[in-house]
Amino acid sequence: DGGITQSPKYLFRKEGQNVTLSCEQNLNHDAMYWYRQDPGQGLRLIYYSQIVNDFQKGDIAEGYSVSREKKESFPLTVTSAQKNPTAFYLCASSIRFRGGRTEAFFGQGTRLTVV
Amino acid sequence: AQSVTQLGSHVSVSEGALVLLRCNYSSSVPPYLFWYVQYPNQGLQLLLKYTSAATLVKGINGFEAEFKKSETSFHLTKPSAHMSDAAEYFCAVSDQGNDMRFGAGTRLTVKP
Repeated sequence: DGGITQSPKYLFRKEGQNVTLSCEQNLNHDAMYWYRQDPGQGLRLIYYSQIVNDFQKGDIAEGYSVSREKKESFPLTVTSAQKNPTAFYLCASSIRFRGGRTEAFFGQGTRLTVV
Repeated sequence: AQSVTQLGSHVSVSEGALVLLRCNYSSSVPPYLFWYVQYPNQGLQLLLKYTSAATLVKGINGFEAEFKKSETSFHLTKPSAHMSDAAEYFCAVSDQGNDMRFGAGTRLTVKP
């Protein structure tokens, strides 16, 4: 079955450590995204990538980094510079319709807790 | 740029009552519109989508939504709420941009 796989589902990090969240898709989608979700704040875009070896900052990129070396993979690193990293992180990929419109498909999320 | 506004961050209904979740959009060109549902600690699942065909769109779990251009709305409805409908619901819009824009979400509570 095609889909998006995020791992791990739960992640604990000590303050001052970098941590990498995995996102893999086998939908053959060009575009991939990372969102952060906090209670009552909806989805906020961290980074997105339209094509391999290219990515753009979203609304809240500070303290995060990404890479896109393969079409299937878009890992997110939460660095020690991120002041408040505890949150639910969602990865998505999208298909593009005629006229440029897109539809997003989501992974099951990773809950990161800083201890 | 496209955007959506969801009216009401929390909606509470009794089991068996009508569910109405409101979404208004802003777009300079005919958009595609979506409703997603999210259960606790899970990703977003597509409920239904409008892609410029029929204005009344039927989705999974008995939900439907009607695209009203004159009102720039895409409200989500279900005739009879079930306890399992309790979740967070997100409206989203896509026009000619490179990404989708999501509303802030509406948390639906269903009372027995």
